[in-house]
Amino acid sequence: NAGVTQTPKFRVLKTGQSMTLLCAQDMNHEYMYWYRQDPGMGLRLIHYSVGEGTTAKGEVPDGYNVSRLKKQNFLLGLESAAPSQTSVYFCASSNFADTQYFGPGTRLTVL
Amino acid sequence: AQKVTQAQTEISVVEKEDVTLDCVYETRDTTYYLFWYKQPPSGELVFLIRRNSFDEQNEISGRYSWNFQKSTSSFNFTITASQVVDSAVYFCALSEDNNAGNMLTFGGGTRLMVKP
Repeated sequence: NAGVTQTPKFRVLKTGQSMTLLCAQDMNHEYMYWYRQDPGMGLRLIHYSVGEGTTAKGEVPDGYNVSRLKKQNFLLGLESAAPSQTSVYFCASSNFADTQYFGPGTRLTVL
Repeated sequence: AQKVTQAQTEISVVEKEDVTLDCVYETRDTTYYLFWYKQPPSGELVFLIRRNSFDEQNEISGRYSWNFQKSTSSFNFTITASQVVDSAVYFCALSEDNNAGNMLTFGGGTRLMVKP
């Protein structure tokens, strides 16, 4: 039982490049989330999903897209990376009104 | 709109001291959930506790205790006899029950440094 896993752990991009972050959970959770954490700040919600095939915007969705084609996976895409997207990205999953469990994070640097 | 404030950005203590981390929240909901997470230097987020708004009982888990007071909208976290391994950033978070996505709003975090 791995919990929540994220791929990759680290990535460096050049401005304008695209990439996809993968989140996988094996707890059969309905809800999944993507957050970003910037230095000295708490986590801010980018997008979330309340079930397979559904997605919704969070607090800071601009510049990101997501997809939830399978219940256990939640993908975060950056179509044209910008230096402002340099951050640590965390994925989480939960059931309704329950605790969110987080992945180990992905450290992304955009040059 | 929901909001969580952790006024203490950094706290430094010497090992074996007791330390309290403050958390104040704002919500218009009557049903909500409060959380504490720990982020050690390795970077992962570790769940510590979840409390619902109808349960004001204080909780103790080993050296950790939590004091929930609805009258002051606070959910404070105390570490008794702190240890170097307690050094981390601690986040308080809030989720409202009428929130369709069960979304968490985080405070800015308190960095705790425990010196030997």
